Amino acid sequence: GENVEQHPSTLSVQEGDSAVIKCTYSDSASNYFPWYKQELGKGPQLIIDIRSNVGEKKDQRIAVTLNKTAKHFSLHITETQPEDSAVYFCAGVRYDYKLSFGAGTTVTVRA
Amino acid sequence: DTGVSQNPRHKITKRGQNVTFRCDPISEHNRLYWYRQTLGQGPEFLTYFQNEAQLEKSRLLSDRFSAERPKGSFSTLEIQRTEQGDSAMYLCASSPGGGAGNIQYFGAGTRLSVL
Repeated sequence: GENVEQHPSTLSVQEGDSAVIKCTYSDSASNYFPWYKQELGKGPQLIIDIRSNVGEKKDQRIAVTLNKTAKHFSLHITETQPEDSAVYFCAGVRYDYKLSFGAGTTVTVRA
Repeated sequence: DTGVSQNPRHKITKRGQNVTFRCDPISEHNRLYWYRQTLGQGPEFLTYFQNEAQLEKSRLLSDRFSAERPKGSFSTLEIQRTEQGDSAMYLCASSPGGGAGNIQYFGAGTRLSVL
């Protein structure tokens, strides 16, 4: 099955700085890569996603890049704010279902 | 609120007891998924429904676990003879069909504690 690895496991940044989280996947058949944000006691919330026919996607302060050849994708958060503090998960999907998640990155934004 | 709804939010039970969780997906989403999340880990796929048909079950879903979606709307996940290792957050997600079928929206989860 699909195996998604995520780094780093924890990330501490100063408010206003950028945060970058990287993921790699194993199955070249994966064609959809969402990113989820999970706050304490809540379910994962989709924040951005990218499909395999696109190299980059941006939504305000959040951007995702995908390198299909290297099988890796990254989440970039610019101008971080305290409310960005949460656990972030990347995921890959091989078919039209069944997300395979990374282990998560705990992001702390220091005021 | 038109999001995915899960009940109960928390469940504490004694080892050996049976528990049942309910998930109400977003209206008109024909796909429904169950995941399990343990502390410090990402969610792991358990099972998946397309309408009322259960199409795949993970090897994580032992014989003590059963899931149903009788009318293609809400779903239930039952765990029989609970064990301490079943303690986790059980997450439900739903997605529409068609071109946006990949996009899964999650509920807040049911946190199970087995004593």
